[in-house]
Amino acid sequence: QVQLVQSGAEVKMPGASVKLSCKASGYSFTNYAIHWVRQAPGQGLEWLGGINGGNGKTKYSHKTQVRLTISRDKSATTVYMELSSLKSEDTAVYYCAREIWEGTEMTHIFPFWGQGTLVSVSP
Amino acid sequence: DIQMTQSPSSLSASVGDRVTITCQASQDISNYLNWYQQTPGQAPKLLIYDASNLATGVPSRFSGSGSGTHFTFSITSLQPEDIATYFCQQYDTLVTFGQGTRLEIK
Repeated sequence: QVQLVQSGAEVKMPGASVKLSCKASGYSFTNYAIHWVRQAPGQGLEWLGGINGGNGKTKYSHKTQVRLTISRDKSATTVYMELSSLKSEDTAVYYCAREIWEGTEMTHIFPFWGQGTLVSVSP
Repeated sequence: DIQMTQSPSSLSASVGDRVTITCQASQDISNYLNWYQQTPGQAPKLLIYDASNLATGVPSRFSGSGSGTHFTFSITSLQPEDIATYFCQQYDTLVTFGQGTRLEIK
């Protein structure tokens, strides 16, 4: 079965960077894209970006693209997201999510989600 | 960016009621619209994709409709386990979510 297992909680100072991981299993990693979505405390969902597991092509939201890097390690079947220049507003639960259909084009329909990783940014 | 406006922001209904949530897009998004359910402390769960398609394993009391800029999500015969927050999501141009609708039992 499809599983997405995320790395543990992080506490960071403003201005620092954070790198989260999402380990995928139970399917052919290179056939699907994985995305990152975050949720600030008590708030809604915000899409950050995604990466194609096969060709590594990425897509980012306009808001975070300057500070966000999404990468993947095919041999480790793991996707990473690194957010730099952290601000207090980046405090959120960060989820990775896999797309519904395989292919080279992203479909942006997310039936599979990781358990979430809490990132706290505080001086 | 495309803005998604959900209404109402919160809703109280009785078990057995029909519940309807709407989502308005700031521009035409065809049928590139999904609906998710989220309970506290959990990741979102996909319920409806492409505006009207029921995701695998989702009960048939959930349904979606619409195209262009106006979309609706309905639950026929509300069950206690349906208490959650519901989000719409467009993917016509990048991805944006609605602000969510919190559903409570009356």
